[in-house]
Amino acid sequence: AQSVTQPDIHITVSEGASLELRCNYSYGATPYLFWYVQSPGQGLQLLLKYFSGDTLVQGIKGFEAEFKRSQSSFNLRKPSVHWSDAAEYFCAVGVIGQFYFGTGTSLTVIP
Amino acid sequence: ETGVTQTPRHLVMGMTNKKSLKCEQHLGHNAMYWYKQSAKKPLELMFVYSLEERVENNSVPSRFSPECPNSSHLFLHLHTLQPEDSALYLCASSQGSRENYGYTFGSGTRLTVV
Repeated sequence: AQSVTQPDIHITVSEGASLELRCNYSYGATPYLFWYVQSPGQGLQLLLKYFSGDTLVQGIKGFEAEFKRSQSSFNLRKPSVHWSDAAEYFCAVGVIGQFYFGTGTSLTVIP
Repeated sequence: ETGVTQTPRHLVMGMTNKKSLKCEQHLGHNAMYWYKQSAKKPLELMFVYSLEERVENNSVPSRFSPECPNSSHLFLHLHTLQPEDSALYLCASSQGSRENYGYTFGSGTRLTVV
């Protein structure tokens, strides 16, 4: 069965530090891959998506993600975190007829 | 503003009440969805509408009744809810297949059942 794993439930980083959020998927072929962000009390906003081609994808708000086929991973990165990045981050996978979300990683940013 | 508008933003209702959640999108998308987001639980897909026809109903109790009168509007009618139904209800839309394009979400309705 297809699955999406975000191994880190909660991460705390200092403002200005770099960030990497992990995401692994289980699927036989390369799926469509997405990262969403959810600020408190809000819906989910699409940060970036990967379909094919260049494995390094640029998104909004200074985020990027790298698809690594050999590791079945699609990790989200940001070189310098801002206090406003504190939120819940969801990795997601689109496969034929279905869409799967990970359980989310909560990001806290400390001054 | 994401292009998907949900009203109300907050709703408190008793277990014997009847209420409706509304979702509206003017993005030209042809599929709309209801998700339930509870604390410490994964997102749960409730209903899928494609071209105004319900194509998925993921074992949702009958106290939740969706309605899609046209491609721009989606409702979730609620009646005789239980306290465990308290959650954030998210509406989303997609252009074509969700697995290819992903979703555009509304800001959600925070529902509290008392």
